Amino acid sequence: GQNIDQPTEMTATEGAIVQINCTYQTSGFNGLFWYQQHAGEAPTFLSYNVLDGLEEKGRFSSFLSRSKGYSYLLLKELQMKDSASYLCAVMDSNYQLIWGAGTKLIIKP
Amino acid sequence: GAVVSQHPSRVICKSGTSVKIECRSLDFQATTMFWYRQFPKKSLMLMATSNEGSKATYEQGVEKDKFLINHASLTLSTLTVTSAHPEDSSFYICSAKASGREVDTQYFGPGTRLTVL
Repeated sequence: GQNIDQPTEMTATEGAIVQINCTYQTSGFNGLFWYQQHAGEAPTFLSYNVLDGLEEKGRFSSFLSRSKGYSYLLLKELQMKDSASYLCAVMDSNYQLIWGAGTKLIIKP
Repeated sequence: GAVVSQHPSRVICKSGTSVKIECRSLDFQATTMFWYRQFPKKSLMLMATSNEGSKATYEQGVEKDKFLINHASLTLSTLTVTSAHPEDSSFYICSAKASGREVDTQYFGPGTRLTVL
């Protein structure tokens, strides 16, 4: 079956760096998305990776290794507003999105 | 874990026809379901929020007469795109919030790709 795993919850300190991992097993691969979702709000697009490597966007970076079925989202210089759920989703060979359950990130002062 | 399905997974239709997309929560009851539209490689745009047994709440700029939403039961919500036009071609995703579960946890469906010719 198709599966995406990411940690349920992580805690980090303001100003620090945190890495949220996502591993996947899907039938085919047409890209991996990371979304940020604050409580009660719609998900916000963070990144899309379809090729191996690291993509950096300001404080956020996303890495993909297709051979390992692995991605991570790296958040630097953490701010309190980064407290949110982070969703990993993979688009399979049928262009269907397979969603992870989300990682709740708690930032402490 | 909680599973949300959508049917159909993809649909191609002629301009002017109506298309119905179903969103089902398979192993839980969903008091609230959300409908999103995804633009290529970009954000999810929330279209509307549907609550079981009541009228859907549409986001600003979303035509409620064009995108009809019916949340008929605790496990089913439907989105009907009426008189579809090529600009309605998109990837539509639903999500469901389980009643009695952790607040604000949404479970997302796999999406429905609509192509209007």
